[in-house]
Amino acid sequence: DIQMTQSPSSLSASVGDRVTITCRASQSISNYLNWYQQKPGKAPKLLIYGASSLQTGVPSRFSGSRSGTDFTLSISSLQPDDFATYYCQQTYSIPVTFGQGTKLDIK
Amino acid sequence: EVQLVESGGGLIQPGGSLRLSCVVSEFTVSSNYMNWVRQAPGKGLEWVSVIYTGGQTYHADSVKGRFTTSRDNSKNTLYLQMNSLKAEDTAVYYCARETPGEKNFDHWGQGTLVTVSS
Repeated sequence: DIQMTQSPSSLSASVGDRVTITCRASQSISNYLNWYQQKPGKAPKLLIYGASSLQTGVPSRFSGSRSGTDFTLSISSLQPDDFATYYCQQTYSIPVTFGQGTKLDIK
Repeated sequence: EVQLVESGGGLIQPGGSLRLSCVVSEFTVSSNYMNWVRQAPGKGLEWVSVIYTGGQTYHADSVKGRFTTSRDNSKNTLYLQMNSLKAEDTAVYYCARETPGEKNFDHWGQGTLVTVSS
């Protein structure tokens, strides 16, 4: 199974900050890496697919990038609505696996 | 508007069985890959299973041999049959659409809670 190691597990930031979350795959997954946002009591929401493509309707302050087996989700200027938990996901092979999650809260 | 609505969760004793349903509107279940993902209380996301357009299914090792994924094309509904339930199966279960070739889960249901406890 492909392991996804996500860091940090938690992050405190302020409105307007730029934040970065990282996910490392245990082997090559090409660009089959997606990012989701989840708020308490809600289903995950797709933000970024294919490592760097922005899902329709997602604000452009969200972006994704890849360097080898390292993937990054960046939020350029945090808004109040962005405080949530973020997960990476690899869909290169079965079983699909998720990172452990990063909880982003207000400093 | 695309909708996925799960049902069938509840409180069940260890060793028992439950069948979850996911009723879909505005797209055809049989034309998409359909997944189940679960989330234990306070924990992260765990993929459970997928059913492909051709009917082939795959399951996580943690549920293999106990859970079965199926669909009813006439009802446009996805199912998860869960047998021999264990306490560690306690979770919110989500169904999610994966458009063939896209390899992402673009639409999710609201989830249904399964609690396995005596």
